[in-house]
Amino acid sequence: AQTVTQSQPEMSVQEAETVTLSCTYDTSESDYYLFWYKQPPSRQMILVIRQEAYKQQNATENRFSVNFQKAAKSFSLKISDSQLGDAAMYFCAYRSIFGNEKLTFGTGTRLTIIP
Amino acid sequence: DSGVTQTPKHLITATGQRVTLRCSPRSGDLSVYWYQQSLDQGLQFLIQYYNGEERAKGNILERFSAQQFPDLHSELNLSSLELGDSALYFCASSVRSGYGDTQYFGPGTRLTVL
Repeated sequence: AQTVTQSQPEMSVQEAETVTLSCTYDTSESDYYLFWYKQPPSRQMILVIRQEAYKQQNATENRFSVNFQKAAKSFSLKISDSQLGDAAMYFCAYRSIFGNEKLTFGTGTRLTIIP
Repeated sequence: DSGVTQTPKHLITATGQRVTLRCSPRSGDLSVYWYQQSLDQGLQFLIQYYNGEERAKGNILERFSAQQFPDLHSELNLSSLELGDSALYFCASSVRSGYGDTQYFGPGTRLTVL
């Protein structure tokens, strides 16, 4: 079974600075999908970014980018120019390409933005 | 707004009772997923339906059941409720099944069992 580990329960960053959230995963599969979801205080789960394992290029969405290291099974999220609205819980998630399409989530990282 | 709707937003009930949570997927989405978010278990997959048929099961208790109707909305039924069932229940939807489509989440239903 796949597992996802987020080793940083809490992180904080100054507004306008850059922060990196870590995620590692364990799998025996060669192809899969990885995601970062954001959960603000409203509790809504919002997709931030997704990465297909077969793509070598790191995904980018505006101020959000990932550092995908397939051999190391690492999938970190970099947030540039942090804004107050970025304050939230961030969850890393894994999904198999074949078979069960469930998302397997990490335990989350709470990000605080310091004005 | 993801386009996925869930009702009710909040539900407070007593142990031993039965409740039904409702989910309407995004327009055009055929696949529906249910997840439970609790303090001790984190976010866990419960069950998936695709176009009315059960597609996959996760850590869903026997006291829980779900179905997807012809209009593609889905209901999650929780019975013989226990204190430990208190959690946030999310529904997510995607266009298809088997193609890696992104799952978009609804706002969740917060269930409190007293």
